[in-house]
Amino acid sequence: NAGVTQTPKFQVLKTGQSMTLQCAQDMNHNSMYWYRQDPGMGLRLIYYSASEGTTDKGEVPNGYNVSRLNKREFSLRLESAAPSQTSVYFCASTVSGGSLYGYTFGSGTRLTVV
Amino acid sequence: GQQLNQSPQSMFIQEGEDVSMNCTSSSIFNTWLWYKQEPGEGPVLLIALYKAGELTSNGRLTAQFGITRKDSFLNISASIPSDVGIYFCAGLNYGGSQGNLIFGKGTKLSVKP
Repeated sequence: NAGVTQTPKFQVLKTGQSMTLQCAQDMNHNSMYWYRQDPGMGLRLIYYSASEGTTDKGEVPNGYNVSRLNKREFSLRLESAAPSQTSVYFCASTVSGGSLYGYTFGSGTRLTVV
Repeated sequence: GQQLNQSPQSMFIQEGEDVSMNCTSSSIFNTWLWYKQEPGEGPVLLIALYKAGELTSNGRLTAQFGITRKDSFLNISASIPSDVGIYFCAGLNYGGSQGNLIFGKGTKLSVKP
């Protein structure tokens, strides 16, 4: 049971470079989320997808784009990376947005922008 | 928007001691969740609470859903070194198109053997 799989686990980018963080879940969940975690800030929602074919902005969407490729996969793209985007990124999924069981998280992607 | 105030921010305790942390909000939630995050991993669900006043245990962990629906606490009894990590509370409201979880900023727990 893989749950939520994120790739890569670590990445170093130069300012201005682009990259895509991948996320896949094998639990047949409808809703998927991207969070960033910074020291002392907790988990902040970047974008979410309530269901296949829909995406919406969260609390901190600037500088990011997302694609819900299919029910399983939800990717996060940084078009032009900035040092302020140095963070740990977590993908999560749940059966549906109002699920009583909370979210299942991946193990994170640690991104450093120099 | 909705915010959760989680305290304390960090705790340094001796193995065997009991731990208590809490979350408060100015808004009502229908569900309270407690997560633990170990170093290098994503958060993992510990306890879910669904009714005001509910008290739920999971081994040495006990959590309560406040009667006003605006707060929750988590207790850990007889702490051990593997309890080390960051504990997050999260509140959830049903309905609407999403029902997003709102997270507290976490309580970092350090346990000295």
